[in-house]
Amino acid sequence: DVKVTQSSRYLVKRTGEKVFLECVQDMDHENMFWYRQDPGLGLRLIYFSYDVKMKEKGDIPEGYSVSREKKERFSLILESASTNQTSMYLCASSFWGAAGNTIYFGEGSWLTVV
Amino acid sequence: QKEVEQNSGPLSVPEGAIASLNCTYSDRGSQSFFWYRQYSGKSPELIMSIYSNGDKEDGRFTAQLNKASQYVSLLIRDSQPSDSATYLCAVSGGAGSYQLTFGKGTKLSVIP
Repeated sequence: DVKVTQSSRYLVKRTGEKVFLECVQDMDHENMFWYRQDPGLGLRLIYFSYDVKMKEKGDIPEGYSVSREKKERFSLILESASTNQTSMYLCASSFWGAAGNTIYFGEGSWLTVV
Repeated sequence: QKEVEQNSGPLSVPEGAIASLNCTYSDRGSQSFFWYRQYSGKSPELIMSIYSNGDKEDGRFTAQLNKASQYVSLLIRDSQPSDSATYLCAVSGGAGSYQLTFGKGTKLSVIP
């Protein structure tokens, strides 16, 4: 089974704090992603990475950065948290199979910024 | 702008019935299609993928794809209360595309 682990499941942070969300996958997948999910807005892609040290902006990268120093680990960084970043954050990894780029999600990190 | 449309529901079906979930997409170049199930408060879980026109069956689930009509559906036979969840349709772009475009999901409620 694919395992994508998000170590921080529930966080409460103060406005202006720097926040790190960590994600590790154990399937040697090349590609990793960070999404956020909000009611009524669905899943929105923040950043993705197709190789170590490579990153690409998704649909909503503003206010976020990422780091991928090792293949299995992809971190999302909120440089200065704001209340509009309160959300569920989903890490995912993927591989290229017969069905194309098949994405598997971690359990999610619930972030509240107060 | 690539779009994936789903009826938000809720779709209510009695236990044992067939639930039919539908999805349309705007990008004719889309090649692969995925269905995810998401329970309340949980992350999306991959159920099925399909990339050829026609039907693909896996247990009680059948995915149907019609590229000419830009339409993909998921049928759940013998629906169970445990199938109550939000179902997300996801569509990938052309060859080499890393990204999936997700619909906002259809909420399914299976009534005992």
